[in-house]
Amino acid sequence: GIQVEQSPPDLILQEGANSTLRCNFSDSVNNLQWFHQNPWGQLINLFYIPSGTKQNGRLSATTVATERYSLLYISSSQTTDSGVYFCAVESNSGYALNFGKGTSLLVTP
Amino acid sequence: NAGVTQTPKFRVLKTGQSMTLLCAQDMNHEYMYWYRQDPGMGLRLIHYSVGEGTTAKGEVPDGYNVSRLKKQNFLLGLESAAPSQTSVYFCASSYNSGADTQYFGPGTRLTVL
Repeated sequence: GIQVEQSPPDLILQEGANSTLRCNFSDSVNNLQWFHQNPWGQLINLFYIPSGTKQNGRLSATTVATERYSLLYISSSQTTDSGVYFCAVESNSGYALNFGKGTSLLVTP
Repeated sequence: NAGVTQTPKFRVLKTGQSMTLLCAQDMNHEYMYWYRQDPGMGLRLIHYSVGEGTTAKGEVPDGYNVSRLKKQNFLLGLESAAPSQTSVYFCASSYNSGADTQYFGPGTRLTVL
């Protein structure tokens, strides 16, 4: 199946800092989503972004499908941004998402 | 609009016991999925359904069965629980195929002793 690699695995930031999370995938995709899992375990969909760029407040994402990677940008980070960020992709021949192992983010006051 | 709900939220089983996890969605979605999440790992697909009355195996289907008798419900069964099935189970749904936003339930934390 399609392989998904996320980096870095762990990240510690001070409040107000910016960060970039990366997701590499091994095959063509027709679906790529970024999720935030909060400390209570809830998975929240951030972006559906198989290609192009989207922005939502302090978060933005860019997927370059031809080069098989996606980036999630977090600007002016807040403590509530803490949690695990997952990238998940679906190949052209699949039905469901393949998840990376996530980037664990801790934002300190 | 409750979205995707899961029951129960927590459960402790003894090895060999059986149980059923219920997932319900009120968004009229065709596609539903069951994932498991283990420490330090992403989610792995157990089974999925592309419509009422259909089911298919995912990446890690062994030891689980599923049923989709009604469009809004997707049941995950453990016939004889094993400690290796200790995990957090997430249900998700989407309107169209996987090429669509998936919405997740809050999860069920299962411990098998």
